[in-house]
Amino acid sequence: DAGITQSPRHKVTETGTPVTLRCHQTENHRYMYWYRQDPGHGLRLIHYSYGVKDTDKGEVSDGYSVSRSKTEDFLLTLESATSSQTSVYFCAISETDTEAFFGQGTRLTVV
Amino acid sequence: DQQVKQNSPSLSVQEGRISILNCDYTNSMFDYFLWYKKYPAEGPTFLISISSIKDKNEDGRFTVFLNKSAKHLSLHIVPSQPGDSAVYFCAAIHFGNEKLTFGTGTRLTIIP
Repeated sequence: DAGITQSPRHKVTETGTPVTLRCHQTENHRYMYWYRQDPGHGLRLIHYSYGVKDTDKGEVSDGYSVSRSKTEDFLLTLESATSSQTSVYFCAISETDTEAFFGQGTRLTVV
Repeated sequence: DQQVKQNSPSLSVQEGRISILNCDYTNSMFDYFLWYKKYPAEGPTFLISISSIKDKNEDGRFTVFLNKSAKHLSLHIVPSQPGDSAVYFCAAIHFGNEKLTFGTGTRLTIIP
């Protein structure tokens, strides 16, 4: 299995609070992605990174920010969580044109 | 704008028969297509892929077909087994921006 770890695995937070999800990899892959999975929407790209300090927006980036200060870590931050951000979040890593490997997911509930 | 579409949210197939999962895309710039399988409470895992310059790729029970003129790909599983019950995601990537775009998924249920 690819060395990719997401933390926390589960989180319940209140509306308006900041939340940071962490993705850590041990594979030294260049690309890292954050997706959210919602019923009827499949996996939607939030942000991705193509190198340290190099990030770009995906299709559902509003309300989210990311940072990648080291190759191995990709952080997803919800500055002020809303109920619409209740979802399962997946981090993925890849190296150019090979398949992406996914983490186990983080279930976030905003109440 | 959904660039990768899976129009069947669910599919039920008898064990031993063929399962066919379909995927359509709109972006002719996609270079590479992938299928992922996902069990509940787990991350998606890679299943099989195909380059845009090919029309078929086979790996054991799994075969992916690509029809570029129709912007359509399909995943064939034969024979279907109970362990194949999962959600299947189609994905596509354009090497120019490396963004992996997913479809909405199809839940496959294999009936014993």
